[in-house]
Amino acid sequence: DAGVIQSPRHEVTEMGQEVTLRCKPISGHNSLFWYRQTMMRGLELLIYFNNNVPIDDSGMPEDRFSAKMPNASFSTLKIQPSEPRDSAVYFCASSLSGRNQPQHFGDGTRLSIL
Amino acid sequence: KQEVTQIPAALSVPEGENLVLNCSFTDSAIYNLQWFRQDPGKGLTSLLLIQSSQREQTSGRLNASLDKSSGRSTLYIAASQPGDSATYLCAGHGSSNTGKLIFGQGTTLQVKP
Repeated sequence: DAGVIQSPRHEVTEMGQEVTLRCKPISGHNSLFWYRQTMMRGLELLIYFNNNVPIDDSGMPEDRFSAKMPNASFSTLKIQPSEPRDSAVYFCASSLSGRNQPQHFGDGTRLSIL
Repeated sequence: KQEVTQIPAALSVPEGENLVLNCSFTDSAIYNLQWFRQDPGKGLTSLLLIQSSQREQTSGRLNASLDKSSGRSTLYIAASQPGDSATYLCAGHGSSNTGKLIFGQGTTLQVKP
């Protein structure tokens, strides 16, 4: 079975540029999560969708960050304009609905903003 | 506010040893708890999920327990192998009806041959 697929795996870009990260959840999963992982702060939830609708975006750091889920099989996380402090590994995870369902993670996008 | 702590931050053991990783949380109203494994440069792999009505879960050489009253969970690894070397993270779901997981900082395990 295909797992959660993220692209690109690595992104290096200059400060001020727009960055778009992509995620394809596991087919049939209706909850999708975007996380950010840094050495200093560990894993933090940025935003959570259920049935394509954003449920909790309290972790989105600033207005420079936005996320969309136009359909059940695709989501994007966009940073515009990007800043060096946005450098991190961004993970997408998906699960069936409900708190007793395990979350399945993609391999992440390693983002470096110069 | 729920906080999840994992001690120790790093652990090195010889192959074959049984070991315990610890996870503590501040809010006993935690709904359930999930243990993950992360290999370098990779995402997280779900190992075990202890549901709200359960006290432990087992999968192969792994056993995880949950004690809400004391705010603790443990992951027991039996007969450790070099392939078990990775970072292990615990994460809890809060009592509110969301999918939000709160993660600990992880314990990095090295099993020496």
